Amino acid sequence: QVQLQESGPGLVRPSETLSLTCDVTGYSISSGYYWDWIRQPPGERLEWIGGIHPVGSAYYNPSLTSRVSISVDTSKNQFSLELSSVTAADTAVYYCARKVAVSGRGDFDYWGRGILVTVSS
Amino acid sequence: DIQMTQSPSTLSASVGDRVTITCRANQSISSWLAWYQQKPGKAPKLLIYRASSLENGVPSRFSGSGSGTEFTLTISGLQLDDFATYYCQQYNNYFTFGQGTKLEI
Repeated sequence: QVQLQESGPGLVRPSETLSLTCDVTGYSISSGYYWDWIRQPPGERLEWIGGIHPVGSAYYNPSLTSRVSISVDTSKNQFSLELSSVTAADTAVYYCARKVAVSGRGDFDYWGRGILVTVSS
Repeated sequence: DIQMTQSPSTLSASVGDRVTITCRANQSISSWLAWYQQKPGKAPKLLIYRASSLENGVPSRFSGSGSGTEFTLTISGLQLDDFATYYCQQYNNYFTFGQGTKLEI
């Protein structure tokens, strides 16, 4: 059973960097798939942030690319998100998810439970 | 960028009903569309991919159709467990989601 779990601070101060980690169990990240981050501001739609393949480069939402960095640590079977220069608009529930990217697919089949990150002083 | 618009935003229905949710893209996305169900405080759950393919373990009362710019999600024989918010997601060019349709009793 594939499981993902987000962790990190629930409160980040404006202008600082948001850092989250996603631990994956039940599947080895190095075996394939893409590993992505998605967020959902309160009462709003889901927004894709970016993702990474364990043997490839990361790719980001063009609207966030200047502030986002995603990395993977296959030895720990986890991947991470950094979002710099945060503002209140970055307050959201952040999800990590596995993306299927074969045979005409680009959907997310496994998700973490999500972590609420609030940006406030 | 590709924008996804769902209708209606809210849908009232009863157990046993058949309901349809529409998702429109502002440009053609072929069949590169997925549907998710989300309940309050929970992560989205994948229902449909490639517009009409049912994810493993999802009940057959869920079905998807469409291509190009217009897509539908149909639930036949609503059950209590189906009352939730539904999102469409395109993956033709990056990944964007619709604003959601809340299905309420």
